[in-house]
Amino acid sequence: ETGVTQSPTHLIKTRGQQVTLRCSSQSGHNTVSWYQQALGQGPQFIFQYYREEENGRGNFPPRFSGLQFPNYSSELNVNALELDDSALYLCASSHNNEQFFGPGTRLTVL
Amino acid sequence: AQSVTQLDSQVPVFEEAPVELRCNYSSSVSVYLFWYVQYPNQGLQLLLKYLSGSTLVKGINGFEAEFNKSQTSFHLRKPSVHISDTAEYFCAVFSGNTGKLIFGQGTTLQVKP
Repeated sequence: ETGVTQSPTHLIKTRGQQVTLRCSSQSGHNTVSWYQQALGQGPQFIFQYYREEENGRGNFPPRFSGLQFPNYSSELNVNALELDDSALYLCASSHNNEQFFGPGTRLTVL
Repeated sequence: AQSVTQLDSQVPVFEEAPVELRCNYSSSVSVYLFWYVQYPNQGLQLLLKYLSGSTLVKGINGFEAEFNKSQTSFHLRKPSVHISDTAEYFCAVFSGNTGKLIFGQGTTLQVKP
């Protein structure tokens, strides 16, 4: 069984640019959640997708948006990047109230 | 609103000594509780979870935790730590209403030889 995968592993962008992060969920999992983990902090919930629809959102501005595809893979898009967006972005797919995390994408905004 | 407090930001301990990482939560509804471990430059790995049933939960790598409803705690314990246990540990509560995990700030476990 393939676990949750994310791409890319690392990314460097400059302020004002846009970025797309990708996540492939674990086989059979139809729910995907995204989290932002700033350095030295616990992960913070961004949003969740269930069967291609947004199913809950944390306290993040609209420039954070997402998509889920029919195969349950997902994208996180961030527009107008700010320095504070530098963080580890984690994707998790869900089954039976348990979330399985991918390795994360490390985004650095300069 | 649900929240999680990890009471220690860093816990230094010598190899083969016992360790306890403390976690308190607040919730007005039934809770599902989790402990995750994060090794440097990696994602989160589930150590153990409490969904229902026995309040003593055993997880991977010799870790266990006890759910205490009256004290709203879910402390993580290991009787004898190894150098390889050095990592960041996160306690989390699952919010059934929103489908999200709410994490504590994390505890850095530093195992010394």
